[in-house]
Amino acid sequence: DAKTTQPPSMDCAEGRAANLPCNHSTISGNEYVYWYRQIHSQGPQYIIHGLKNNETNEMASLIITEDRKSSTLILPHATLRDTAVYYCIVNDGTPLVFGKGTRLSVIA
Amino acid sequence: EAQVTQNPRYLITVTGKKLTVTCSQNMNHEYMSWYRQDPGLGLRQIYYSMNVEVTDKGDVPEGYKVSRKEKRNFPLILESPSPNQTSLYFCASSLSSRGRTYEQYFGPGTRLTVT
Repeated sequence: DAKTTQPPSMDCAEGRAANLPCNHSTISGNEYVYWYRQIHSQGPQYIIHGLKNNETNEMASLIITEDRKSSTLILPHATLRDTAVYYCIVNDGTPLVFGKGTRLSVIA
Repeated sequence: EAQVTQNPRYLITVTGKKLTVTCSQNMNHEYMSWYRQDPGLGLRQIYYSMNVEVTDKGDVPEGYKVSRKEKRNFPLILESPSPNQTSLYFCASSLSSRGRTYEQYFGPGTRLTVT
């Protein structure tokens, strides 16, 4: 079973920041937080991952709370092409377990 | 360009006719994996391989076979396909070190219909 809880859907206005929350209250010390997204029926795409520090790359930022029980993926300026299902996964390097994710709809 | 390729992308076949879906990656990744995706059930892992000649069952291995004779290739074999194997299939690969895998790269998917 997935070890994360995400809202099933969210809307975001184009050009605004999209903040996608994820709860992982049972995360263990050696587990990373990974984010992937899947646009329509394409293959999932890796976005970002982190252990305890906040991380940023060209796609997004990842904010992890100090107790590591939750995190937020931030897409700073959402575009229509960011409409997708976003998966938050906690993983210690063993095979990924995908939950149902959050369906983000970016609205013009 | 670094990528995972799958062939065919679309396949319609009949019950019982053996088929193979190929997967190849050009990133020298040790780890490769197969998933299937069905409406309402999400992505589920079928088989994975931590390196050449090493394969393990995932969550839904029944009715599938795999082999890993070369690092770059990880074919998925359906010896006797049945309609309940109609699904969207994804191959993925990642680096692996000391039993740990890293971010995975996915292929474009193969949509299989078994009638």
